[in-house]
Amino acid sequence: DTAVSQTPKYLVTQMGNDKSIKCEQNLGHDTMYWYKQDSKKFLKIMFSYNNKELIINETVPNRFSPKSPDKAHLNLHINSLELGDSAVYFCASSQRGREKLFFGSGTQLSVL
Amino acid sequence: QKEVEQNSGPLSVPEGAIASLNCTYSDRVSQSFFWYRQYSGKSPELIMSIYSNGDKEDGRFTAQLNKASQYVSLLIRDSQPSDSATYLCAVNIEGSNAGNMLTFGGGTRLMVKP
Repeated sequence: DTAVSQTPKYLVTQMGNDKSIKCEQNLGHDTMYWYKQDSKKFLKIMFSYNNKELIINETVPNRFSPKSPDKAHLNLHINSLELGDSAVYFCASSQRGREKLFFGSGTQLSVL
Repeated sequence: QKEVEQNSGPLSVPEGAIASLNCTYSDRVSQSFFWYRQYSGKSPELIMSIYSNGDKEDGRFTAQLNKASQYVSLLIRDSQPSDSATYLCAVNIEGSNAGNMLTFGGGTRLMVKP
């Protein structure tokens, strides 16, 4: 059973398009995250969400928005995609009070 | 200024040697420190966590923390080719209401040669 799953694994799209990445966790965790890993391997937090509170990294453009239909899902919507959005996006989850993050397998986004 | 810094490497060590990976951080209020291992094309996985000054050992891995020097390291004894990966250092600020808003370093690529 996959603990944190995200789809699609690869996403190739044109500049200006709007796209979504889905994430689901079956671990019963109460907090989910989105991280962006650029070509230099820097892994940066984008959002943290625990169904009561959304924390946004202030450096994230407002073209990015997380949507959480329920506790087990945190999807990432990206509007007006730009070349610089090309990266690997990781979803992750954890249980409040326990600091181990469980990562999904990543989505390789390529904006052409 | 980067908040968590690591030498990007690659750090090359022969099989059986000790690999030493270093990390410095800038935020003095950081309380929790982590090492994640990331194989090429895969997601990061937690291998060590450390919260207080000193050493913490888990099998072949030892994490070392010096808060006064704002320095955390990871030692891998008896390095194996399967240890070849990128090692990411991460820090967390205690009391964050947003779960684990970890700040990661850029990672050090380790290559263990047979």
